[in-house]
Amino acid sequence: DAGVTQSPTHLIKTRGQHVTLRCSPISGHKSVSWYQQVLGQGPQFIFQYYEKEERGRGNFPDRFSARQFPNYSSELNVNALLLGDSALYLCASSLNRVTDTQYFGPGTRLTVL
Amino acid sequence: GQQVMQIPQYQHVQEGEDFTTYCNSSTTLSNIQWYKQRPGGHPVFLIQLVKSGEVKKQKRLTFQFGEAKKNSSLHITATQTTDVGTYFCAETGANNLFFGTGTRLTVIP
Repeated sequence: DAGVTQSPTHLIKTRGQHVTLRCSPISGHKSVSWYQQVLGQGPQFIFQYYEKEERGRGNFPDRFSARQFPNYSSELNVNALLLGDSALYLCASSLNRVTDTQYFGPGTRLTVL
Repeated sequence: GQQVMQIPQYQHVQEGEDFTTYCNSSTTLSNIQWYKQRPGGHPVFLIQLVKSGEVKKQKRLTFQFGEAKKNSSLHITATQTTDVGTYFCAETGANNLFFGTGTRLTVIP
């Protein structure tokens, strides 16, 4: 079975631009969470979606938004990019709740110039 | 929000030596998960601890949850070069995970 997949693998943007990151969960998993991991730090929670509804939100500005589709895949959108948005963006899927085992994807490395 | 601190931040050990990382919280934890992230990789789930005083073992890895559920530890016996990576504890909230600061382990052959 395929694990969590994310696209693109790497992305370079300039300040002020917009970016969309994509995630496909493991088949049968209904929950998707997004994390931002800055180099040298632990992942920081951004969003959790379950059954297409936002169930949790971390301390991130409104420039960050996400959605989950009927097939449980998800998109993370970031508007008006700042240099500080440069990070590894990780998607994790789980069966239902966040307390279920989280399976992380390989991440999207975003560089903002 | 919650804050989970891990110590040490870095640890260099000779292959065959033991290694321990500690996770501490100022508040009572509902449960805690441990992850390993290899250099250039993504976090991989290791285990979840739920009960006060719980101890779980996975081969050379021993995980412990404190009696007061405010701390946890991961101990690796006789480290191998394959143990290299950053080990994170993560506190589970209602709908999210709060990751600790991580301990980066280097194993010298």
